[in-house]
Amino acid sequence: AQSVTQLDSQVPVFEEAPVELRCNYSSSVSVYLFWYVQYPNQGLQLLLKYLSGSTLVKGINGFEAEFNKSQTSFHLRKPSVHISDTAEYFCAVKDGGGSYIPTFGRGTSLIVHP
Amino acid sequence: ETGVTQSPTHLIKTRGQQVTLRCSSQSGHNTVSWYQQALGQGPQFIFQYYREEENGRGNFPPRFSGLQFPNYSSELNVNALELDDSALYLCASSLDGLAGLPSAYEQYFGPGTRLTVT
Repeated sequence: AQSVTQLDSQVPVFEEAPVELRCNYSSSVSVYLFWYVQYPNQGLQLLLKYLSGSTLVKGINGFEAEFNKSQTSFHLRKPSVHISDTAEYFCAVKDGGGSYIPTFGRGTSLIVHP
Repeated sequence: ETGVTQSPTHLIKTRGQQVTLRCSSQSGHNTVSWYQQALGQGPQFIFQYYREEENGRGNFPPRFSGLQFPNYSSELNVNALELDDSALYLCASSLDGLAGLPSAYEQYFGPGTRLTVT
Protein backbone atom coordinates (compact mmCIF):
# COMPACT_ATOMS: atom_id res chain seq x y z
CA ALA A 1 0.00 0.00 0.00
CA GLN A 2 1.10 3.51 -0.78
CA SER A 3 2.29 5.80 2.05
CA VAL A 4 2.88 9.56 2.03
CA THR A 5 5.20 11.48 4.33
CA GLN A 6 4.97 15.21 4.77
CA LEU A 7 8.19 15.94 6.55
CA ASP A 8 7.15 19.16 8.28
CA SER A 9 4.02 19.45 10.39
CA GLN A 10 4.38 23.22 10.55
CA VAL A 11 6.27 25.75 8.41
CA PRO A 12 6.44 29.35 9.62
CA VAL A 13 7.59 31.93 7.09
CA PHE A 14 7.53 35.70 6.64
CA GLU A 15 5.42 37.35 3.98
CA GLU A 16 7.11 37.65 0.56
CA ALA A 17 9.66 34.96 1.45
CA PRO A 18 9.93 31.74 -0.61
CA VAL A 19 8.60 28.49 0.80
CA GLU A 20 8.97 24.77 0.12
CA LEU A 21 6.65 22.14 1.57
CA ARG A 22 8.08 18.65 1.34
CA CYS A 23 6.33 15.45 0.35
CA ASN A 24 7.78 11.96 -0.09
CA TYR A 25 5.92 8.81 -1.07
CA SER A 26 6.71 5.12 -1.03
CA SER A 27 8.03 3.69 -4.25
CA SER A 28 5.74 2.56 -7.04
CA VAL A 29 6.01 1.88 -10.73
CA SER A 30 3.69 4.71 -11.62
CA VAL A 31 1.94 7.29 -9.47
CA TYR A 32 -0.34 10.25 -9.74
CA LEU A 33 0.50 13.09 -7.36
CA PHE A 34 -1.58 15.93 -5.95
CA TRP A 35 -1.36 18.91 -3.65
CA TYR A 36 -4.45 20.28 -1.92
CA VAL A 37 -4.99 23.32 0.28
CA GLN A 38 -7.48 23.51 3.14
CA TYR A 39 -8.44 26.87 4.60
CA PRO A 40 -10.02 26.95 8.09
CA ASN A 41 -13.53 25.48 8.19
CA GLN A 42 -13.46 24.64 4.50
CA GLY A 43 -13.02 21.58 2.31
CA LEU A 44 -9.95 20.81 0.25
CA GLN A 45 -9.10 22.64 -2.95
CA LEU A 46 -6.87 21.13 -5.62
CA LEU A 47 -3.73 23.23 -6.09
CA LEU A 48 -2.03 21.12 -8.76
CA LYS A 49 -1.59 17.58 -10.00
CA TYR A 50 0.98 15.44 -11.78
CA LEU A 51 -0.43 12.69 -14.01
CA SER A 52 2.30 12.44 -16.68
CA GLY A 53 4.57 14.57 -18.85
CA SER A 54 6.69 17.46 -17.59
CA THR A 55 8.00 16.92 -14.08
CA LEU A 56 7.50 20.61 -13.21
CA VAL A 57 3.84 21.27 -12.59
CA LYS A 58 2.33 24.71 -12.19
CA GLY A 59 -0.84 25.22 -10.20
CA ILE A 60 -3.12 27.93 -8.93
CA ASN A 61 -2.16 30.86 -6.70
CA GLY A 62 1.47 30.86 -7.94
CA PHE A 63 2.35 27.40 -6.57
CA GLU A 64 4.40 24.83 -8.43
CA ALA A 65 5.72 21.36 -7.65
CA GLU A 66 8.41 19.11 -9.06
CA PHE A 67 8.06 15.36 -9.45
CA ASN A 68 11.34 13.57 -8.72
CA LYS A 69 11.00 9.87 -9.45
CA SER A 70 14.46 8.86 -8.20
CA GLN A 71 13.88 10.55 -4.85
CA THR A 72 10.15 9.67 -4.76
CA SER A 73 9.36 13.28 -3.90
CA PHE A 74 6.84 15.90 -4.95
CA HIS A 75 7.77 19.11 -3.13
CA LEU A 76 5.55 22.18 -3.34
CA ARG A 77 7.10 25.62 -3.81
CA LYS A 78 6.11 29.25 -4.02
CA PRO A 79 8.65 32.03 -4.65
CA SER A 80 6.85 34.67 -2.60
CA VAL A 81 4.08 33.91 -0.10
CA HIS A 82 1.21 36.10 1.05
CA ILE A 83 -0.65 36.23 4.35
CA SER A 84 -3.61 34.66 2.54
CA ASP A 85 -1.54 31.51 1.87
CA THR A 86 -1.82 30.60 5.56
CA ALA A 87 -3.58 27.23 5.48
CA GLU A 88 -3.13 23.47 5.76
CA TYR A 89 -1.52 21.78 2.75
CA PHE A 90 -1.96 18.12 1.91
CA CYS A 91 0.01 15.94 -0.45
CA ALA A 92 -1.83 12.95 -1.95
CA VAL A 93 -0.69 9.98 -4.03
CA LYS A 94 -2.52 7.42 -6.11
CA ASP A 95 -1.03 4.33 -7.68
CA GLY A 96 -1.46 4.22 -11.44
CA GLY A 97 -4.41 2.09 -12.51
CA GLY A 98 -7.51 1.02 -10.63
CA SER A 99 -10.23 3.20 -9.24
CA TYR A 100 -9.49 6.46 -7.53
CA ILE A 101 -8.26 5.62 -4.02
CA PRO A 102 -5.77 8.28 -2.96
CA THR A 103 -3.53 8.26 0.09
CA PHE A 104 -3.11 11.60 1.84
CA GLY A 105 -0.27 12.81 3.99
CA ARG A 106 -0.91 14.21 7.46
CA GLY A 107 -0.66 17.78 6.25
CA THR A 108 1.68 20.75 6.69
CA SER A 109 0.46 23.89 8.33
CA LEU A 110 1.87 26.93 6.51
CA ILE A 111 1.89 30.00 8.73
CA VAL A 112 2.75 33.27 7.02
CA HIS A 113 3.78 36.11 9.32
CA PRO A 114 3.62 39.80 8.35
CA GLU B 1 -22.65 26.29 -11.47
CA THR B 2 -23.26 25.23 -7.87
CA GLY B 3 -20.46 23.73 -5.81
CA VAL B 4 -20.47 20.70 -3.54
CA THR B 5 -22.71 21.13 -0.51
CA GLN B 6 -22.96 19.02 2.63
CA SER B 7 -25.45 18.82 5.45
CA PRO B 8 -25.56 19.17 8.32
CA THR B 9 -22.57 21.37 9.16
CA HIS B 10 -22.20 20.01 12.66
CA LEU B 11 -23.67 17.02 14.44
CA ILE B 12 -23.41 15.59 17.94
CA LYS B 13 -24.35 11.95 18.50
CA THR B 14 -24.08 9.42 21.30
CA ARG B 15 -22.05 6.23 21.07
CA GLY B 16 -24.13 3.40 19.58
CA GLN B 17 -26.41 5.69 17.59
CA GLN B 18 -26.68 5.88 13.81
CA VAL B 19 -26.04 8.92 11.63
CA THR B 20 -26.73 9.95 8.03
CA LEU B 21 -24.68 12.64 6.30
CA ARG B 22 -25.70 14.15 2.98
CA CYS B 23 -23.85 15.51 -0.01
CA SER B 24 -24.97 17.26 -3.18
CA SER B 25 -22.40 16.95 -5.93
CA GLN B 26 -21.30 19.70 -8.27
CA SER B 27 -23.54 20.16 -11.27
CA GLY B 28 -22.67 17.67 -14.03
CA HIS B 29 -20.57 15.37 -11.82
CA ASN B 30 -21.49 11.69 -11.67
CA THR B 31 -19.00 10.47 -9.06
CA VAL B 32 -18.93 11.05 -5.32
CA SER B 33 -16.19 10.10 -2.86
CA TRP B 34 -16.37 10.23 0.93
CA TYR B 35 -13.44 10.85 3.26
CA GLN B 36 -12.93 10.86 7.02
CA GLN B 37 -10.54 13.49 8.40
CA ALA B 38 -9.64 13.04 12.05
CA LEU B 39 -8.23 16.03 13.92
CA GLY B 40 -4.65 16.72 12.84
CA GLN B 41 -4.71 14.06 10.14
CA GLY B 42 -5.11 13.93 6.40
CA PRO B 43 -8.33 12.70 4.82
CA GLN B 44 -8.82 8.94 4.65
CA PHE B 45 -10.77 7.48 1.75
CA ILE B 46 -13.98 5.70 2.81
CA PHE B 47 -15.60 4.84 -0.52
CA GLN B 48 -16.59 6.14 -3.93
CA TYR B 49 -19.85 5.92 -5.87
CA TYR B 50 -20.07 6.14 -9.64
CA ARG B 51 -23.51 6.20 -11.24
CA GLU B 52 -25.14 4.75 -8.12
CA GLU B 53 -22.68 1.84 -7.77
CA GLU B 54 -19.83 1.54 -5.24
CA ASN B 55 -16.64 1.97 -7.25
CA GLY B 56 -13.97 1.50 -4.60
CA ARG B 57 -13.67 1.23 -0.84
CA GLY B 58 -11.00 2.08 1.70
CA ASN B 59 -10.20 0.29 4.93
CA PHE B 60 -13.45 1.00 6.77
CA PRO B 61 -15.79 -1.54 8.43
CA PRO B 62 -19.20 -2.43 6.92
CA ARG B 63 -21.01 -0.20 9.44
CA PHE B 64 -19.93 2.61 7.09
CA SER B 65 -22.27 2.43 4.12
CA GLY B 66 -23.41 4.74 1.39
CA LEU B 67 -25.88 5.48 -1.32
CA GLN B 68 -25.87 7.51 -4.49
CA PHE B 69 -29.14 8.68 -5.98
CA PRO B 70 -30.14 9.17 -9.64
CA ASN B 71 -29.40 12.90 -9.34
CA TYR B 72 -25.88 11.89 -8.13
CA SER B 73 -26.35 13.24 -4.63
CA SER B 74 -25.12 10.89 -1.95
CA GLU B 75 -25.51 9.76 1.65
CA LEU B 76 -23.00 8.36 4.10
CA ASN B 77 -24.49 6.20 6.85
CA VAL B 78 -22.62 5.13 9.95
CA ASN B 79 -24.16 2.58 12.31
CA ALA B 80 -23.20 1.79 15.91
CA LEU B 81 -21.20 4.98 16.33
CA GLU B 82 -17.93 4.77 18.23
CA LEU B 83 -15.97 7.58 19.88
CA ASP B 84 -13.25 7.24 17.22
CA ASP B 85 -15.80 8.12 14.53
CA SER B 86 -15.56 11.74 15.69
CA ALA B 87 -14.10 13.54 12.68
CA LEU B 88 -14.73 15.88 9.77
CA TYR B 89 -16.47 13.97 6.98
CA LEU B 90 -15.71 15.30 3.52
CA CYS B 91 -17.56 14.65 0.31
CA ALA B 92 -15.90 15.21 -3.06
CA SER B 93 -17.46 15.07 -6.50
CA SER B 94 -15.83 14.47 -9.85
CA LEU B 95 -16.61 13.44 -13.37
CA ASP B 96 -16.15 9.85 -14.51
CA GLY B 97 -14.96 7.68 -11.63
CA LEU B 98 -13.13 5.30 -13.91
CA ALA B 99 -9.45 4.53 -14.02
CA GLY B 100 -7.44 6.29 -16.67
CA LEU B 101 -9.68 9.27 -17.27
CA PRO B 102 -7.95 12.52 -16.24
CA SER B 103 -11.28 14.09 -15.31
CA ALA B 104 -11.60 11.53 -12.51
CA TYR B 105 -8.71 13.18 -10.68
CA GLU B 106 -10.29 16.64 -10.52
CA GLN B 107 -12.12 16.30 -7.23
CA TYR B 108 -14.18 19.16 -5.82
CA PHE B 109 -14.64 19.03 -2.06
CA GLY B 110 -17.50 20.23 0.07
CA PRO B 111 -16.94 22.07 3.37
CA GLY B 112 -17.52 18.92 5.41
CA THR B 113 -19.70 17.77 8.28
CA ARG B 114 -18.13 17.86 11.73
CA LEU B 115 -19.36 14.79 13.66
CA THR B 116 -18.79 14.55 17.39
CA VAL B 117 -19.57 11.26 19.15
CA THR B 118 -19.91 11.43 22.93
